[in-house]
Amino acid sequence: QSVLTQPPSASGTPGQRVTISCSGSSSNIGSNYVYWYQQLPGTAPKLLIYRNNQRPSGVPDRFSGSKSGTSASLAISGLRSEDEADYYCAAWDDSLSGSVVFGGGTKLTVL
Amino acid sequence: QVQLQESGPGLVKPSETLSLTCTVSGGSISSYYWSWIRQPPGKGLEWIGYIYYSGSTNYNPSLKSRVTISVDTSKNQFSLKLSSVTAADTAVYYCARVSCSGGSCYTMIAYYFDYWGQGTLVTVSS
Repeated sequence: QSVLTQPPSASGTPGQRVTISCSGSSSNIGSNYVYWYQQLPGTAPKLLIYRNNQRPSGVPDRFSGSKSGTSASLAISGLRSEDEADYYCAAWDDSLSGSVVFGGGTKLTVL
Repeated sequence: QVQLQESGPGLVKPSETLSLTCTVSGGSISSYYWSWIRQPPGKGLEWIGYIYYSGSTNYNPSLKSRVTISVDTSKNQFSLKLSSVTAADTAVYYCARVSCSGGSCYTMIAYYFDYWGQGTLVTVSS
């Protein structure tokens, strides 16, 4: 059981816009930044979004993040086949001695 | 370009201690935090803990009694020891750099995992 809650799956067709939600509590998302990681099949996770909505250099602007209260979302516009991956949200949690907590992950399928 | 590489036994017997090392190349281990994260087969990510290059640590409370993370700056390496392992500890273990950019770097909540190793599968079985 993950501390942060994500839908197990999401899907979309090429060119479509999809969103992935991440729900937490006041001790994590509610008071701290949200991070998103992309894990392509058979590879290590890669940082996609930091501090709620910032993109590292090299990440396309098709990816965007937002946060409201104790929930966050990752949006992917202009969906491409290479976006098919697992997506994880993460945040620091004040109630767990300053631990990092992850969502259970969302498997995105491009139909 | 910073690169991280995990190394260690791929098979550990139940009740024994899992030991892994992460070697950092392309950059210094100094002035950064470093972390271990694991992923059971077919499941999600679990943070294990982090260490600052100076040696200060913070561990996941659920694993704290069994985990030790150490650093060797002379070798540009940091290590993980997990004691009394069971089958539930079978996972791909990743090492990662914990970094921050821009403002707010005075608080850990602004830090994220920017470089990851490729991961190493550790199976706990007799």
